[in-house]
Amino acid sequence: DAKTTQPNSMESNEEEPVHLPCNHSTISGTDYIHWYRQLPSQGPEYVIHGLTSNVNNRMASLAIAEDRKSSTLILHRATLRDAAVYYCILRAVAGSYQLTFGKGTKLSVIP
Amino acid sequence: DTEVTQTPKHLVMGMTNKKSLKCEQHMGHRAMYWYKQKAKKPPELMFVYSYEKLSINESVPSRFSPECPNSSLLNLHLHALQPEDSALYLCASGMLGLYTDTQYFGPGTRLTVL
Repeated sequence: DAKTTQPNSMESNEEEPVHLPCNHSTISGTDYIHWYRQLPSQGPEYVIHGLTSNVNNRMASLAIAEDRKSSTLILHRATLRDAAVYYCILRAVAGSYQLTFGKGTKLSVIP
Repeated sequence: DTEVTQTPKHLVMGMTNKKSLKCEQHMGHRAMYWYKQKAKKPPELMFVYSYEKLSINESVPSRFSPECPNSSLLNLHLHALQPEDSALYLCASGMLGLYTDTQYFGPGTRLTVL
């Protein structure tokens, strides 16, 4: 799987939007961009995924650059419950089924 | 029901013990996974089962022995572990879809080997 690069940590104020960046300059045309997060003392949970177009769901939005070499996970209003490690993962359409986690970004939310 | 359950939540064992970790899902998923997560590190894949057959073993030592008795259950049998095997063991399940294969994770079993 292609590699992703994320900042080690970020901080956000509660109720402010948060933009979590991910660089994936070696992404191939068939790689999907997935985001998972892991809250303290819990297993990872799926957040969102996309291929080329921007995506929205009830948890977050995913903005994908036109050249697909980077993407941004957007939390529209951070809450204390959003404090977690966020992982950006590339998944090949026809590849193996496992998730290969990078180091992720630890998001702290300040009340 | 989108829940993956794991038992026990915590396990302390000696290096000569034999124990088992259990994982269960009732979402009809045909892929199940074991991951290992050391403190402050990302999860690392250990095993993948698809249609109850072992499809991937990421060069895991034989002291870890997975078993998939049916499509809802996944076990991890532990024997003669080392202190460095202390970690959070995560189970996950997924639908083997080509495009999404969203994985659902359990809360993990925190294992301490003395």
